[in-house]
Amino acid sequence: NAGVTQTPKFRVLKTGQSMTLLCAQDMNHEYMYWYRQDPGMGLRLIHYSVGEGTTAKGEVPDGYNVSRLKKQNFLLGLESAAPSQTSVYFCASSPPRTGWTDTQYFGPGTRLTVL
Amino acid sequence: EDKVVQSPLSLVVHEGDTVTLNCSYEVTNFRSLLWYKQEKKAPTFLFMLTSSGIEKKSGRLSSILDKKELFSILNITATQTGDSAVYLCAGRYNNNDMRFGAGTRLTVKP
Repeated sequence: NAGVTQTPKFRVLKTGQSMTLLCAQDMNHEYMYWYRQDPGMGLRLIHYSVGEGTTAKGEVPDGYNVSRLKKQNFLLGLESAAPSQTSVYFCASSPPRTGWTDTQYFGPGTRLTVL
Repeated sequence: EDKVVQSPLSLVVHEGDTVTLNCSYEVTNFRSLLWYKQEKKAPTFLFMLTSSGIEKKSGRLSSILDKKELFSILNITATQTGDSAVYLCAGRYNNNDMRFGAGTRLTVKP
């Protein structure tokens, strides 16, 4: 199992450009999440999904869109990148609550710089 | 207002010391509290706590949740340089929202 993978690992954008970050998991998890992490701060939830075809806003959703067309993939889109979106982006997945585990499995992160 | 608050923000100790990291959380719709260790890249899972007063242990690390006072602690005994990392606490809520604290940066000196 590859676990949670993210593509790309690094990216540099110019202000106003668009891009899509791809997260894939092979653990058949129902829930998937996108976070951003900035220096000196913990992870902040951008959007999440509790199943194929469903998405919901997290703590900091503005400027981002997401889609979950397939259970194993969760896409994060930036339509018009801004320097404030320079960050490290982490994807995570978790199974539905089973009564004994609630943990999330994280991808390796994508470092995005917007000039 | 922050849902999850960690303290201290940073801590420097010497090998062999014992450390206690703190995490307080907001109670509304609270479901579970999680601890993660983050070194250079992605956070790795340490503990999940849902019941008050039950200590979870893994080697030199242990954690406990106090649902009355709304906090959790992470203890590390006999610290080693390999324990140097950022320790993140997160609250998971019934609407599947996850809120992380800012983290405690632990530095263990030889």
